[in-house]
Amino acid sequence: QVQLQESGPGLVKPSGTLSLTCAVSGGSISSSNWWSWIRQPPGKGLEWIGEIYHSGSTNYNPSLKSRVTISVDKSKNQFSLKLSSVTAADTAVYYCARRGRNDYGAPGDWFDPWGQGTLVTVSS
Amino acid sequence: SYELTQPPSVSVSPGQTASITCSGDKLGDKYACWYQQKPGQSPVLVIYQDSKRPSGIPERFSGSNSGNTATLTISGTQAMDEADYYCQAWDSSTVIFGTGTKVTVL
Repeated sequence: QVQLQESGPGLVKPSGTLSLTCAVSGGSISSSNWWSWIRQPPGKGLEWIGEIYHSGSTNYNPSLKSRVTISVDKSKNQFSLKLSSVTAADTAVYYCARRGRNDYGAPGDWFDPWGQGTLVTVSS
Repeated sequence: SYELTQPPSVSVSPGQTASITCSGDKLGDKYACWYQQKPGQSPVLVIYQDSKRPSGIPERFSGSNSGNTATLTISGTQAMDEADYYCQAWDSSTVIFGTGTKVTVL
């Protein structure tokens, strides 16, 4: 059973870069799945940040694309998020999640499982 | 940009049926899925591909999607079903989440 675990600094200064890693256990990141980052500001809804395939192919939310970089490290079975020029509006719980696959092995439209999430606060 | 709209709150008595709607332009032409999120926990997938239940999700959770509306139905609602629920779909290669609905079991 695949499990995901986010890690990284819980506090980032304004204008700095937020960096998080998602470790994948119980399965290989090189499986035929896409891997995503999703965030949730305190008391608010969910926002998709972007996704990566083990080949390094990425898709990003257009609203964040200019500030986001998602990368993969197959040797460590993990993928990472970098979000630059952060402001208080980027304060959120950041989740990593695996995109499902349909019955034909193609990418599905859902996310399962999710990591436990990590709170990142942007403050000086 | 594409939007998915949900009612902010739904109240239901134990044992009764709760219906949560998710509205978006031609949503029925896309696949919708639903997540349950309890306080302090990560979202959990409860319905995917409009009406399929993942392993381990109780049969009282069901889904449908047609026209402009997807619906999550909880039959025989239990106290443990009290949570926030989010719908989700894809549009133009981007993931869209609904605004979220808080289900209260009175």
